Amino acid sequence: EDQVTQSPEALRLQEGESSSLNCSYTVSGLRGLFWYRQDPGKGPEFLFTLYSAGEEKEKERLKATLTKKESFLHITAPKPEDSATYLCAVQARGNTPLVFGKGTRLSVIA
Amino acid sequence: NAGVTQTPKFQVLKTGQSMTLQCAQDMNHNSMYWYRQDPGMGLRLIYYSASEGTTDKGEVPNGYNVSRLNKREFSLRLESAAPSQTSVYFCASDDRAQRVTEAFFGQGTRLTVV
Repeated sequence: EDQVTQSPEALRLQEGESSSLNCSYTVSGLRGLFWYRQDPGKGPEFLFTLYSAGEEKEKERLKATLTKKESFLHITAPKPEDSATYLCAVQARGNTPLVFGKGTRLSVIA
Repeated sequence: NAGVTQTPKFQVLKTGQSMTLQCAQDMNHNSMYWYRQDPGMGLRLIYYSASEGTTDKGEVPNGYNVSRLNKREFSLRLESAAPSQTSVYFCASDDRAQRVTEAFFGQGTRLTVV
């Protein structure tokens, strides 16, 4: 069974304090790993797709990396507007639907 | 470009009432999904439609039915609502049958069953 575990459940940072969110996964052949951002009362918004171990992608203060067992979302010098829940999801081979983790709720305090 | 549109945004039902949640996408995607999101549980798949004319059960299908009306529209029906179905419901669509691609989500329907 495909599984995604995200840690920590919640993270509180001071503005400018860099940190990382973790996404561990077990999947029967990874087709893609996805990161989403979700603001309160909104639907998830796509951030990144990673396809193979060693791959990295960046967007503003966010950088996503992938190994064979986990992915990290690094947040460099975060700002209060980065506060949100970050969701990780995997798609296994065979065209199966996304399997989501429970998310990490990030709060950045000014 | 609207993307994925869900209606209604909010709904309160009494136990035993029925209702249909509507979802439409304008991105010409083949695949559509219904998820529910509960505190501490993350997003859980209820039903999905890989292509027009097909539907499949997800992780939590009990108490729900779906209809893929056409390529654009995918509805979720609660025949006899129960308090356990109080949740936020999200519809999503993508084109994963063609390539690995991200899913696009609607803004959600917040349903309360009393």
